[in-house]
Amino acid sequence: DAGVIQSPRHEVTEMGQEVTLRCKPISGHNSLFWYRQTMMRGLELLIYFNNNVPIDDSGMPEDRFSAKMPNASFSTLKIQPSEPRDSAVYFCASSTGSGTGGVTDTQYFGPGTRLTVL
Amino acid sequence: QKEVEQNSGPLSVPEGAIASLNCTYSDRGSQSFFWYRQYSGKSPELIMSIYSNGDKEDGRFTAQLNKASQYVSLLIRDSQPSDSATYLCAVKYTGRRALTFGSGTRLQVQP
Repeated sequence: DAGVIQSPRHEVTEMGQEVTLRCKPISGHNSLFWYRQTMMRGLELLIYFNNNVPIDDSGMPEDRFSAKMPNASFSTLKIQPSEPRDSAVYFCASSTGSGTGGVTDTQYFGPGTRLTVL
Repeated sequence: QKEVEQNSGPLSVPEGAIASLNCTYSDRGSQSFFWYRQYSGKSPELIMSIYSNGDKEDGRFTAQLNKASQYVSLLIRDSQPSDSATYLCAVKYTGRRALTFGSGTRLQVQP
């Protein structure tokens, strides 16, 4: 079975440009999570969706960040305008996420997108 | 603030030894606990999950959970150089669907 798919794997852009990261969750998973990982701050949850609806976006750093999930098999994380401090690895993860605990809470991570903003 | 605490390491053990990784969490009502392994430049991958007090064994890995002490650990027996990675502890807190991750412990297994 295909795991979580992310694209692009690497993105290099200049400050001020718009960046769009893409994610396809595991088929049948109804929860999707966007994380950012840096050496200084570790793995930070940005936003998560359940059944395509954003549930908690309190981790989104500022209005320059936005995320959408138009259907069960696709999500985007957009940064506009990008800044050098946005440079990080962005991970998408998915789970069956019924919220009742146990195995359904297990999150499976995609390979990540390494973003460099010059 | 709900937190997951881990010693950042590095934890250095000789090949063949037992590596012991520890994690504490702040919510006594937490339900699910996970250990992820992350190699440098790669994404986190699930190693173990544990949901009830006691030990859970899977091959060379044993997860231990003590909810009264709010403590979860991971033991790696017969450590191999290929186990050298960062190990992330993750907890599902009550009332929250997302997992809360610790900052990870870097393990180095010396040949």
